[in-house]
Amino acid sequence: DQQVKQNSPSLSVQEGRISILNCDYTNSMFDYFLWYKKYPAEGPTFLISISSIKDKNEDGRFTVFLNKSAKHLSLHIVPSQPGDSAVYFCAASDRHVTDKLIFGTGTRLQVFP
Amino acid sequence: GAGVSQSPSNKVTEKGKDVELRCDPISGHTALYWYRQSLGQGLEFLIYFQGNSAPDKSGLPSDRFSAERTGGSVSTLTIQRTQQEDSAVYLCASSFLAGGDNEQFFGPGTRLTVL
Repeated sequence: DQQVKQNSPSLSVQEGRISILNCDYTNSMFDYFLWYKKYPAEGPTFLISISSIKDKNEDGRFTVFLNKSAKHLSLHIVPSQPGDSAVYFCAASDRHVTDKLIFGTGTRLQVFP
Repeated sequence: GAGVSQSPSNKVTEKGKDVELRCDPISGHTALYWYRQSLGQGLEFLIYFQGNSAPDKSGLPSDRFSAERTGGSVSTLTIQRTQQEDSAVYLCASSFLAGGDNEQFFGPGTRLTVL
């Protein structure tokens, strides 16, 4: 049973435009959400996170939005740059119980000139 | 500054053999996690160590998998009698503390191929 879902395996965006990556979850007990970015042959690197008490968190070009009623979060990258091309993983945890992260299957973002 | 390191980077083994994968977390990090990524899949949680507490082994897929963390630092993931479905990239992560907004830092992974 996939508790964290990324339904779009890939996304292609032109440089300078907005990239929107989506993530859905099923466990209403999740209270912490993260986005990781992964380049080939490297481990994932942390990008941005959001606690369930917030609905938006912004860090430079990256903004994460959380819609708890819809159990949906999204990552916005604006403006997109070619160096943003990577696989993006959404992850969630229920910190009352554990610190382990439940990951989605990832979305491959390609930013073209 | 050293990040999380893992060895070997690649391991090819024959079905039925045992393998050991090593993780060196960031110095001072009390929490250590193992995940794996199979082809086309997301990262799957395996096991989690936090300080001297009993590890959370809830993600280990079978009793052929075990892990230990010696001296609160280095961890070894052991897979006994490997099967072809064990082929994956095994990723280790560490964090300064458990709980709160503590980012997990990942190593580069060990790519395991079972022939």
